[in-house]
Amino acid sequence: DAGITQSPRHKVTETGTPVTLRCHQTENHRYMYWYRQDPGHGLRLIHYSYGVKDTDKGEVSDGYSVSRSKTEDFLLTLESATSSQTSVYFCAISVRPHFDNEQFFGPGTRLTVL
Amino acid sequence: QQQVKQSPQSLIVQKGGISIINCAYENTAFDYFPWYQQFPGKGPALLIAIRPDVSEKKEGRFTISFNKSAKQFSLHIMDSQPGDSATYFCAASINQGAQKLVFGQGTRLTINP
Repeated sequence: DAGITQSPRHKVTETGTPVTLRCHQTENHRYMYWYRQDPGHGLRLIHYSYGVKDTDKGEVSDGYSVSRSKTEDFLLTLESATSSQTSVYFCAISVRPHFDNEQFFGPGTRLTVL
Repeated sequence: QQQVKQSPQSLIVQKGGISIINCAYENTAFDYFPWYQQFPGKGPALLIAIRPDVSEKKEGRFTISFNKSAKQFSLHIMDSQPGDSATYFCAASINQGAQKLVFGQGTRLTINP
């Protein structure tokens, strides 16, 4: 699992509440990614980071923000959760960027917004 | 805009048969094409990957066939086993910068014993 943990693993929240998901890695890899997985859409990139305090938007970034104050932690925040953000969220790291692009994924967080 | 299109959405194959999943891409700048395997409740894991300078790559029972002119690539699983039952995703990326992966929609594969 390349030392990736995600927390929480499951969360149920109400529309309009803020939610923060955490991704933690133990191996100081530079590149980290947040994806969401929905039936019929595969995995879609939300945001990614290429270093401490260096982040950028992905394909479906609206309604999400991220922060990376330490190499090992990448936080995904839903400022005001909506039902359309009900999904399974995966964090990933790139272990050998520019050699190959194998990304290792965490176990996922299942988020339900009521 | 779906840059990588995957088919079929679901597939049922008998044990010992050949499973074939297809993907087509639009961006000719893509230069890395992986396949990921995902079991229920788990994150995706890299199965096999190919770069466009070769037309085929084989690892055990898994083979990627790549057709650059048609902008298509496929995964072949030979002698399919019940343990291969999973969801498979193709993806593509450009090997520079953040190397963002663009995924296909996924194929749910079931191998009947």
